[in-house]
Amino acid sequence: EDKVVQSPLSLVVHEGDTVTLNCSYEVTNFRSLLWYKQEKKAPTFLFMLTSSGIEKKSGRLSSILDKKELFSILNITATQTGDSAIYLCAGSARQLTFGSGTQLTVLP
Amino acid sequence: EPEVTQTPSHQVTQMGQEVILRCVPISNHLYFYWYRQILGQKVEFLVSFYNNEISEKSEIFDDQFSVERPDGSNFTLKIRSTKLEDSAMYFCARGTSGSVSYEQYFGPGTRLTVT
Repeated sequence: EDKVVQSPLSLVVHEGDTVTLNCSYEVTNFRSLLWYKQEKKAPTFLFMLTSSGIEKKSGRLSSILDKKELFSILNITATQTGDSAIYLCAGSARQLTFGSGTQLTVLP
Repeated sequence: EPEVTQTPSHQVTQMGQEVILRCVPISNHLYFYWYRQILGQKVEFLVSFYNNEISEKSEIFDDQFSVERPDGSNFTLKIRSTKLEDSAMYFCARGTSGSVSYEQYFGPGTRLTVT
């Protein structure tokens, strides 16, 4: 059975801090690793990673994939209160298998 | 690229009733997916739909569920004889236009409440 595990489950930081969110996966016929941000309702697409060692960046967010260790991290630098959300990672085979998410709270 | 829209945003139904949830693509996508998220739980895959046919379905997607694209545009998820445990957010997602894609973009969801 495919499995995606995220850590930590929750994280509380102050504005300006840097955070690292972790995602490990065991997905048969793995194709890619996706990160989403979920605020009140639907997951919003952040990144898709298919190759090891190539960092993807979008503003203050960056992510990297290690296909040997079956692991990905999502970094957020200079956090803002608007970054408060649940961050989901999902392993992609023929469908997405989601982790439980990391609840990030950024305090002013 | 824009996502999909979903209607209704909230549906309340009584146990045993049938509901139809709709997903409206913005443009001509080929890949669609339905997921559900029970409150406080993980997002779970239900079914994928490619070129007007089911391509994958999960164990959750039993005979109670069906999908179709009745008019070649809107994409529906039908739940027959709803149960209390069907209460959840139901998300439609689309793949990237016209190609095999691993990226999936989610619609805003329909909150289904079964009483």
